[in-house]
Amino acid sequence: DGGITQSPKYLFRKEGQNVTLSCEQNLNHDAMYWYRQDPGQGLRLIYYSQIVNDFQKGDIAEGYSVSREKKESFPLTVTSAQKNPTAFYLCASRGTSGRAIEQFFGPGTRLTVL
Amino acid sequence: DAKTTQPPSMDCAEGRAANLPCNHSTISGNEYVYWYRQIHSQGPQYIIHGLKNNETNEMASLIITEDRKSSTLILPHATLRDTAVYYCIVRDRYNFNKFYFGSGTKLNVKP
Repeated sequence: DGGITQSPKYLFRKEGQNVTLSCEQNLNHDAMYWYRQDPGQGLRLIYYSQIVNDFQKGDIAEGYSVSREKKESFPLTVTSAQKNPTAFYLCASRGTSGRAIEQFFGPGTRLTVL
Repeated sequence: DAKTTQPPSMDCAEGRAANLPCNHSTISGNEYVYWYRQIHSQGPQYIIHGLKNNETNEMASLIITEDRKSSTLILPHATLRDTAVYYCIVRDRYNFNKFYFGSGTKLNVKP
């Protein structure tokens, strides 16, 4: 089945460690996105990529980094510079041909920094 | 992008229509109205979108007022599985990359 996978579903890290969250899609979508969600809040855009080897900062990029070496993969690294990294992280993708207007979301990774 | 305002929560009886309002009084002519929903601890799911005409699909109907300053998402026969947070989002017609999710409306469908 086509879709977006994020792994793991739950992730625990010690404070001061970098951690990389995985996002893979087999939808052949060009655009991919990372969002952060805090309890009771909406989603906030961290980074997005419209094409391989290109990405743009979203509204809250500080303390995060991404890479887009392959079309199907868009990993997010939460660095030690991110002051409050505990959150629910969501990856999404979107096709860019025709009337591809909606974003498809993965199941999310809940990161807890101890 | 225009800001949206939604009530924080609503209740609906199972089998009845759920009408979820959204205010987007500063919407511009180039901005679409989108609705997504998020079931607890899952990724958001697309429901429907529109520009100025009313829209209907297999999941819901979207009613946009003539002045486009507000809209209503209608779930015609709510089920317990429709319990979720519903987000009303306004997106620029030419910028696919900026979806601004507010806090949404928590819809509680009760038996």
